[in-house]
Amino acid sequence: GENVEQHPSTLSVQEGDSAVIKCTYSDSASNYFPWYKQELGKRPQLIIDIRSNVGEKKDQRIAVTLNKTAKHFSLHITETQPEDSAVYFCAASTWSNTGNQFYFGTGTSLTVIP
Amino acid sequence: NAGVTQTPKFQVLKTGQSMTLQCAQDMNHNSMYWYRQDPGMGLRLIYYSASEGTTDKGEVPNGYNVSRLNKREFSLRLESAAPSQTSVYFCASSQGAGNTIYFGEGSWLTVV
Repeated sequence: GENVEQHPSTLSVQEGDSAVIKCTYSDSASNYFPWYKQELGKRPQLIIDIRSNVGEKKDQRIAVTLNKTAKHFSLHITETQPEDSAVYFCAASTWSNTGNQFYFGTGTSLTVIP
Repeated sequence: NAGVTQTPKFQVLKTGQSMTLQCAQDMNHNSMYWYRQDPGMGLRLIYYSASEGTTDKGEVPNGYNVSRLNKREFSLRLESAAPSQTSVYFCASSQGAGNTIYFGEGSWLTVV
């Protein structure tokens, strides 16, 4: 099955700096890569996603890049703000004859220091 | 439009007791999932249902059973709870290939 690795597990940045979180995956059949933000005590919520036919996607201060050859994808947050502090999860999704499966990384705890 | 709704939100069980976590979605999604979340281990798939009438084991199915009651509802049952099942449980749903997964608010379960 798919194996998703995520690094770093914790990340502290000064407000206004950029944050980068990296994930690798093992199954070349994976074709959809969402990123989720989870605040303390809340559910994971989608912040951005990318499909395998796209190399980069941006949404305001958030961007995701995908390198299919190397099987890695990254989340970039620019001009970080204290409200960006949360746990971020990457995921890789594969569609098979048994359904749409999602495999998650172990999470990155981001702290933005005011 | 409530999205994914799961109950109960909090539960304390004694070892050996049984309980069922209920989940319902109103987005007409085909696929539904149960995950557990433990510190440092991310979200691990317990069971999933690709469509009404089908269920399959995920990464950590031992000690659990599921029922896809209809397209909207997917329940998770602990037959004989163990302290190792203390966790936060998330139900989720997805429309299908290339579509994202939406989570319920979570159920905090403690087994003593």
